[in-house]
Amino acid sequence: GAGVSQSPSNKVTEKGKDVELRCDPISGHTALYWYRQSLGQGLEFLIYFQGNSAPDKSGLPSDRFSAERTGGSVSTLTIQRTQQEDSAVYLCASGREFDKTQYFGPGTRLLVL
Amino acid sequence: GESVGLHLPTLSVQEGDNSIINCAYSNSASDYFIWYKQESGKGPQFIIDIRSNMDKRQGQRVTVLLNKTVKHLSLQIAATQPGDSAVYFCAETGGGQNFVFGPGTRLSVLP
Repeated sequence: GAGVSQSPSNKVTEKGKDVELRCDPISGHTALYWYRQSLGQGLEFLIYFQGNSAPDKSGLPSDRFSAERTGGSVSTLTIQRTQQEDSAVYLCASGREFDKTQYFGPGTRLLVL
Repeated sequence: GESVGLHLPTLSVQEGDNSIINCAYSNSASDYFIWYKQESGKGPQFIIDIRSNMDKRQGQRVTVLLNKTVKHLSLQIAATQPGDSAVYFCAETGGGQNFVFGPGTRLSVLP
């Protein structure tokens, strides 16, 4: 079956612009995670959605970062007024309820010039 | 605070040899651990997991060992193949859904 998909695969933007990153989770998965991975680094947790519960936003680095999940499926991560330090790979993962295994998408590579 | 780290950032092994990738964690409340494999340009891929009530778990060519006394986790890959070349991450959680990932170890398989 289809896995987690993310778009765009690559995004180049200018400092100060806003960007939107999209994640399509595996159908039926109620959990959705966003992570950031800087070059040569591990994964940094950003935000977690589970069903209709309030999201866990504890990992968002600043108020320039926000995420939504519409209809319990597709999620959008928005970064406002991008900074060069926002350059990274943004990974999305989804999972089944009560199962901690996460299935990752290929990521969006963001470069802020 | 919480931390998950790896002893070696890079590991080179001969094809056919066994590989051992290590991970240390500091959160004594961690009760679930996962190893992921990340190939270049791709997202992490689940390899194997283990719960804190176990010391060892085996999969196909992979074994995860958990030593809760010293807070140490290892991934053993038997008969390493060129396709095993990747970055390997350990991740842990203490009961919630927020995972802490280590920085990763790059495994290079030499012909």
